[in-house]
Amino acid sequence: GAGVSQSPSNKVTEKGKDVELRCDPISGHTALYWYRQSLGQGLEFLIYFQGNSAPDKSGLPSDRFSAERTGGSVSTLTIQRTQQEDSAVYLCASSPSGTSGRTYNEQFFGPGTRLTVL
Amino acid sequence: GNSVTQMEGPVTLSEEAFLTINCTYTATGYPSLFWYVQYPGEGLQLLLKATKADDKGSNKGFEATYRKETTSFHLEKGSVQVSDSAVYFCALSDPQAAGNKLTFGGGTRVLVKP
Repeated sequence: GAGVSQSPSNKVTEKGKDVELRCDPISGHTALYWYRQSLGQGLEFLIYFQGNSAPDKSGLPSDRFSAERTGGSVSTLTIQRTQQEDSAVYLCASSPSGTSGRTYNEQFFGPGTRLTVL
Repeated sequence: GNSVTQMEGPVTLSEEAFLTINCTYTATGYPSLFWYVQYPGEGLQLLLKATKADDKGSNKGFEATYRKETTSFHLEKGSVQVSDSAVYFCALSDPQAAGNKLTFGGGTRVLVKP
């Protein structure tokens, strides 16, 4: 079946502009994650959605970042008033369930969106 | 908080050489441990995992053993191939926290030359 897809694959924007990044998770996966991969910070967690529960936003670096997940499927990560330090690859992952416990549900990653802020 | 430290690369090897990538972690509880691999132009893929002390994860000739006493999860392969050239990430998740979100190390780039 289809894996996690992300769009666009590349995005170049000017400082101060808003951008939207899209993630289509694997069908039926209830958990969805956003991560950021940057030269200075490595790979870091941003936000997590599980079903209809309130998202875990603990990794968002500033209030310029927000994300939503509509209908428990597609997710959009929005960055307002982009800064040069926002340049990174934004990765989306989904898993069958993100619930805690000793059972780990593998996270399947998309190819990422490379964001360049000029 | 939780953190993962892995050896910096790049690591350059000849084909059929032995590969070791060191990984140590800091966690408040009993995390699950993972190695992810990112091949050129591809997304992150789970390579192997271990969920409790002394577990050994293995896949594609790679192995890693969960060592609680040394808080380590070193990745090894006895004979690398050119196709193993990739970036390798050590990661943990805290099963006591909701969400299974991953904490990653900085990544180690491995280049295998024929």
